[in-house]
Amino acid sequence: ETGVTQSPTHLIKTRGQQVTLRCSSQSGHNTVSWYQQALGQGPQFIFQYYREEENGRGNFPPRFSGLQFPNYSSELNVNALELDDSALYLCASSLASRSGYTDTQYFGPGTRLTVL
Amino acid sequence: SQQGEEDPQALSIQEGENATMNCSYKTSINNLQWYRQNSGRGLVHLILIRSNEREKHSGRLRVTLDTSKKSSSLLITASRAADTASYFCATASFSGGYNKLIFGAGTRLAVHP
Repeated sequence: ETGVTQSPTHLIKTRGQQVTLRCSSQSGHNTVSWYQQALGQGPQFIFQYYREEENGRGNFPPRFSGLQFPNYSSELNVNALELDDSALYLCASSLASRSGYTDTQYFGPGTRLTVL
Repeated sequence: SQQGEEDPQALSIQEGENATMNCSYKTSINNLQWYRQNSGRGLVHLILIRSNEREKHSGRLRVTLDTSKKSSSLLITASRAADTASYFCATASFSGGYNKLIFGAGTRLAVHP
């Protein structure tokens, strides 16, 4: 158990809808990263939040957005859902230094999103 | 895009045997991490090896890193059925004020009793 929790566990949406996924980071951690894992693939980096600001982003369109709250929990929002957005969404928390450097990232159990 | 490439893609062994998985990557890194994932659930961190380290041990796990060849290997000794899972290597590079993990596609390990 890493202490990172995600909700919901599973979600079914239809194309064009919007979805919000939630993540509570491990106690003492100040950084949250989000990943998308398609079936049979490795996780792909979406973005990272440090002290409530996005400080890094992967190759994902703007309809993927996020928030980090003062307690360091986080949300991932996806607008205008497409069939290809069906995946396991993982969040990971870590403790970053003032420069933003982190070592180990601790992952939550994920949210399985199905888009019909 | 995924930087790490694991080899083999799938590995099937008997309990008690050793399992070796390899990972190659393309760019310079700060560290390389190995994770395990059971049946599409969350990733479990196994071990982190820094770019200035060559070998690291944790229980039945042994990780090596060769930065000149841009490759790493994970050895699981005396495997057990409970080791059945997918194993991913992830390279970490610090750039632009954040650490980005780039994962490979993983090795699916099956350990048969």
